[in-house]
Amino acid sequence: DIVLTQTPLSLSVIPGQPASISCKSSQSLLNSGGKTYLYWYLQKPGQSPQLLIYEVSNRFSGVPDRFSGSGSGTDFTLKIGRVEAEDVGIYYCMQGMGVPRTFGQGTNVEF
Amino acid sequence: QVQLQESGPGLVKPSETLSLTCTVSGASISNFCWTWIRQPAEKGLEWIGHICPSGNTNYIPSLKSRVTLSVDTPNNQFSLQVRSVTAADTAIYYCARDVTAFDYWGQGTLVTVSS
Repeated sequence: DIVLTQTPLSLSVIPGQPASISCKSSQSLLNSGGKTYLYWYLQKPGQSPQLLIYEVSNRFSGVPDRFSGSGSGTDFTLKIGRVEAEDVGIYYCMQGMGVPRTFGQGTNVEF
Repeated sequence: QVQLQESGPGLVKPSETLSLTCTVSGASISNFCWTWIRQPAEKGLEWIGHICPSGNTNYIPSLKSRVTLSVDTPNNQFSLQVRSVTAADTAIYYCARDVTAFDYWGQGTLVTVSS
């Protein structure tokens, strides 16, 4: 199975300041067709997870542009340009390269 | 707008079968893959498996011997069965559309395994 390791596991943020989460994969997530199957989700308190970023750097519909994803191969980063109150929750990376799909442990972002 | 809604018993006895259904609106179940994910209390997300239009299914190895996914095309639903449940199967169960990304999710349903 592909293992995803997120750091940090907990992140205390200041409103208006940037934040960054790392996700490292045990295997490359780049497939032979040139796509990289790395995704980011946010689970707000009491809610189901929601897709933020697909294929490393593409924002899903309705996701604010303060969220950005970057990386390649096995190392990936989610950045929040200026954190807002509604951004608190647990952030997960996920790989779609192989079966079973696997998630990172989650990063708890709080003020 | 694509919407998914899980339904099924909230309490299942040990050794019995957990059965959940996900009803989809806003998208044809025949055109996409569909997935189940679960989350034990205060823990992370665990992918259970998915089913695709071809009928192809994939499961997490640790559950493969106990899990079955199926599709009910006329009712635009898909279902999850987990056999021989134990307390370790207690979790919130989510269904989602699987376009490799899980782009639309249900609200989740809590299933407790207890006698």
